[in-house]
This record gives sequence, structure tokens and C-alpha cells, in this order.
Amino acid sequence: DQQVKQNSPSLSVQEGRISILNCDYTNSMFDYFLWYKKYPAEGPTFLISISSIKDKNEDGRFTVFLNKSAKHLSLHIVPSQPGDSAVYFCAASAVGNQFYFGTGTSLTVIP
Amino acid sequence: DGGITQSPKYLFRKEGQNVTLSCEQNLNHDAMYWYRQDPGQGLRLIYYSQIVNDFQKGDIAEGYSVSREKKESFPLTVTSAQKNPTAFYLCASKDRGGELFFGEGSRLTVL
Repeated sequence: DQQVKQNSPSLSVQEGRISILNCDYTNSMFDYFLWYKKYPAEGPTFLISISSIKDKNEDGRFTVFLNKSAKHLSLHIVPSQPGDSAVYFCAASAVGNQFYFGTGTSLTVIP
Repeated sequence: DGGITQSPKYLFRKEGQNVTLSCEQNLNHDAMYWYRQDPGQGLRLIYYSQIVNDFQKGDIAEGYSVSREKKESFPLTVTSAQKNPTAFYLCASKDRGGELFFGEGSRLTVL
């Protein structure tokens, strides 16, 4: 059973606009969430994280929002740039336990 | 430079053969992980190790084996018992802050 879900397999956005990538989870014990970016044939690279004690974390153009009651997190990229085109994975874990990854959302930023 | 090195990057195997994928890290991380990625699916955990000489099965351990004789090394053997081994394999280690660092990946193709 998929504990972390990314229901949009793909997303296209115009350069300069906002990209919003969504992630839902089912396990209420998850308390640490991460977003990873992945280019083809490469390993994922860490983008941004958030712990359950916060509802927002910002790093430059990237902001992650966490809604614990809805078991939902989202990644906002603004403004979107062509170099942001990649597959984005969200991941979640409970303290001391393994990470569970979503299926990924392929973002295309159109110049 | 510190990081995770996976080798080989590409590997071809005949049916019935065992192959071993190498993963070495010089980040001084205790925890190491092996994931498998298939098209349209998230990263699925094969095995993980929290400390030297100890490892646990992940969600899809059948047909795989690992060892953790040294902190720096966590090799994965894909055995002939793995029915569908063609995939992209990712090794990762985790720092004390909970962030996963990934290698570049190894693509295994069964001929």
C-alpha cells in the first residue's frame, strides 16, 4: 500500500510562473518530509525538507507547505525556470524509520 | 570531495547470473540504503543498514542480498532468484540530520 502519493505524474508550467507540486501521505506518524529533484540517469538530489513542527519552510525560490490535518504537503517553485525541469519526489519518514517515496511528478518548464 | 560512489554505472547480466553493485561513501554516515526505481514508480527500499555488521530487509528484499562489513561500503548482490532485476538501483546514506544523500545510480539490464 502506497503510504506516500503524488497523484500528478506530470506538470507543465510557463517560465516565470509558479509550479505547485503536491504530495499526500497516509501515515500520521510521519514527522519528517523531504523533496528531491531527479534528472534522468542520475541520483536524486536533496531540495528542501520540513519537520512536522513547522507548516512552512522556505529556501530561495522553493517553499514547502505542510498541512498535517490534511496529511498533505506541497512544493512551490517561484519563479519557475527551464532548469527546474526534472522529476520531483516527495519522501516521508517517522523518527528512526525508513523513508517512503512518492511516485514522482515530472515537471516541464516551458521557456 | 565527499559523496557516494556507485559502480558500475551500467551493467548487463545474463539470466541466471548473480551480479554485485558497489556502493562506497566517504561521508562518515552510519546508515546506508539501497533503493530500486522502475518507470512510473517511486523509489522502493530493498535493504538498509543502520550500523556496521547489521542490516534489515526493506519492502522488496526478495532476490537480493547485502553485506556491511565496513562503514564505508554497502554492496548489493542481485541474485538469480530476483525475477525481474532490470531496473535503476540507487544507493544512499543518511546524515544525522535525517537527509538522504544519493549516489549516481546503477542501471542493470538483464539480457
